[in-house]
Amino acid sequence: DSGVTQTPKHLITATGQRVTLRCSPRSGDLSVYWYQQSLDQGLQFLIQYYNGEERAKGNILERFSAQQFPDLHSELNLSSLELGDSALYFCASSGGTDITLNYGYTFGSGTRLTVV
Amino acid sequence: QKEVEQDPGPLSVPEGAIVSLNCTYSNSAFQYFMWYRQYSRKGPELLMYTYSSGNKEDGRFTAQVDKSSKYISLFIRDSQPSDSATYLCAMSLNSGYSTLTFGKGTMLLVSP
Repeated sequence: DSGVTQTPKHLITATGQRVTLRCSPRSGDLSVYWYQQSLDQGLQFLIQYYNGEERAKGNILERFSAQQFPDLHSELNLSSLELGDSALYFCASSGGTDITLNYGYTFGSGTRLTVV
Repeated sequence: QKEVEQDPGPLSVPEGAIVSLNCTYSNSAFQYFMWYRQYSRKGPELLMYTYSSGNKEDGRFTAQVDKSSKYISLFIRDSQPSDSATYLCAMSLNSGYSTLTFGKGTMLLVSP
């Protein structure tokens, strides 16, 4: 157990629908990252939050949004789903309270999204 | 040209072999270099972490960074079937909470 919890583990939904993926970071970590992993694209950075505020944005579609709550858990919302959105979605956390350190991320086990 | 290039493999070796995994990158501003291991249907886990150029050793694993060539390597000695996984290199620009850029990963298969 990495300490980063993602739910649900699997999600099957139809095109056009909306889903919410949830992530609880490792205890003490203030930063949360969302990544999408597909076979052809590898791990693609979507968005980062630090202590409740958006810090960086990557290749995130306008149909996708995220937020980090006061208790530091985060949610990734995917709407108007398309077949091409089928992928593994990973949440990772990092950092603790020392912003000068970068020791990499701790990943959750991911949510496998299948859009049919 | 992608920022980080990594041969997808698969790389097949017999048990006990020395394995060499590599990545090249284009952005000379990268300072932090990491290797992650990902088993099938699991999240990536951090294996090695290196700052700037040089070598770092941890048990059977050695990470090397050559910033002048924009080339990083991971060596695995005495490879085991349990090392069979996908290995992803990752790098970032700054310390703190900067984002990581990943290679696509190399699949390694170690046969008994």
